[in-house]
Amino acid sequence: NAGVTQTPKFQVLKTGQSMTLQCAQDMNHNSMYWYRQDPGMGLRLIYYSASEGTTDKGEVPNGYNVSRLNKREFSLRLESAAPSQTSVYFCASRERGGGTDTQYFGPGTRLTVL
Amino acid sequence: AQSVTQLGSHVSVSEGALVLLRCNYSSSVPPYLFWYVQYPNQGLQLLLKYTSAATLVKGINGFEAEFKKSETSFHLTKPSAHMSDAAEYFCAVRGAPNFGNEKLTFGTGTRLTIIP
Repeated sequence: NAGVTQTPKFQVLKTGQSMTLQCAQDMNHNSMYWYRQDPGMGLRLIYYSASEGTTDKGEVPNGYNVSRLNKREFSLRLESAAPSQTSVYFCASRERGGGTDTQYFGPGTRLTVL
Repeated sequence: AQSVTQLGSHVSVSEGALVLLRCNYSSSVPPYLFWYVQYPNQGLQLLLKYTSAATLVKGINGFEAEFKKSETSFHLTKPSAHMSDAAEYFCAVRGAPNFGNEKLTFGTGTRLTIIP
């Protein structure tokens, strides 16, 4: 049981380049989330998927797109990277039901846009 | 709408001293409240959560928090700090079930330093 996995761990892009951050969970959770973490700002929600086949915008969706490929996988795409997107990106999945409500986080992807 | 305010972006305590990290929340619906810990270069790990059962919640590593509705607070405490407690701590709020509770809103974090 690997939990939530993210690839890559580190990435450096040039302005205007595109890339996709991958996330997968093996806990059979319905809900998945993408956050970005910036110093002094905590974690901010980019997009989320309440269930397979649905996605919704979070607090800071501009410049990003997502795909919920199946129940396990939720990817985040930067079509044209900008320096303002330099950040640490975390994927999470959520366990709920039966009195439980817990989000599990991946180890993060550190992205630098030059 | 919901928000979290963590008072003090940096807190330093001596080893063996009381740890108190403050969190105040705002929520237009009954809240669920969470504390997460983040060690350097790692993801977030759940410390404890309040989900409308007991107002005093015990978590991992000796931490506990008390939900006080009248004060809209959910402060995190530990009686005796250990060096291994040095990390960043995040308070978060979500609406209770049946109140549109998909989104978890985080505070800006408190970095805890332990002085030997």
